Amino acid sequence: EPEVTQTPSHQVTQMGQEVILRCVPISNHLYFYWYRQILGQKVEFLVSFYNNEISEKSEIFDDQFSVERPDGSNFTLKIRSTKLEDSAMYFCASMERAKNIQYFGAGTRLSVL
Amino acid sequence: QKEVEQNSGPLSVPEGAIASLNCTYSDRGSQSFFWYRQYSGKSPELIMFIYSNGDKEDGRFTAQLNKASQYVSLLIRDSQPSDSATYLCAAGPGNTGFQKLVFGTGTRLLVSP
Repeated sequence: EPEVTQTPSHQVTQMGQEVILRCVPISNHLYFYWYRQILGQKVEFLVSFYNNEISEKSEIFDDQFSVERPDGSNFTLKIRSTKLEDSAMYFCASMERAKNIQYFGAGTRLSVL
Repeated sequence: QKEVEQNSGPLSVPEGAIASLNCTYSDRGSQSFFWYRQYSGKSPELIMFIYSNGDKEDGRFTAQLNKASQYVSLLIRDSQPSDSATYLCAAGPGNTGFQKLVFGTGTRLLVSP
């Protein structure tokens, strides 16, 4: 069964460093999303992406965040200068329009020290 | 502010019983509703989705939607210990591609053998 793949599973970084979280969406999906979940809190929407551009972003997704689809398969989330409060699980999701259902990857646990 | 509210639980039921999980949402524009199961430290896994008022059954799971009351529920029949997890209710804007999901905090379900 096709699945959304995220790498790495765990990323440890120093405050102020840049990180790139990677996602390979399901191959025939056209809509891509990033969510995050701080430990013990709810899953929060960060950004949606379609047709090589951001379609919507939340207040969390400030200038420190960016997304890119550098090739036909990868979808990345970059945090330019990480802060302690960026520590969370980051989930990538993709969706095939006809089914209107988002499938989540296993997540990347980001730990900012 | 669009909100999805859930009782955080834990909801404890004995094996074989019916577990009833509830969710309310604030945005009347929400048209699509999803139940995801999340095991500790794992990603959300889709259990059910519902778009129309009424009941929708899939195996041991029944989702119920009442748009007038802005209420969604999930019934799990013949609960098993493996059903022990956090159940996330999520609301989306409808049958469009830009499907930003708003999640509740989740209800923790404990099924005792």
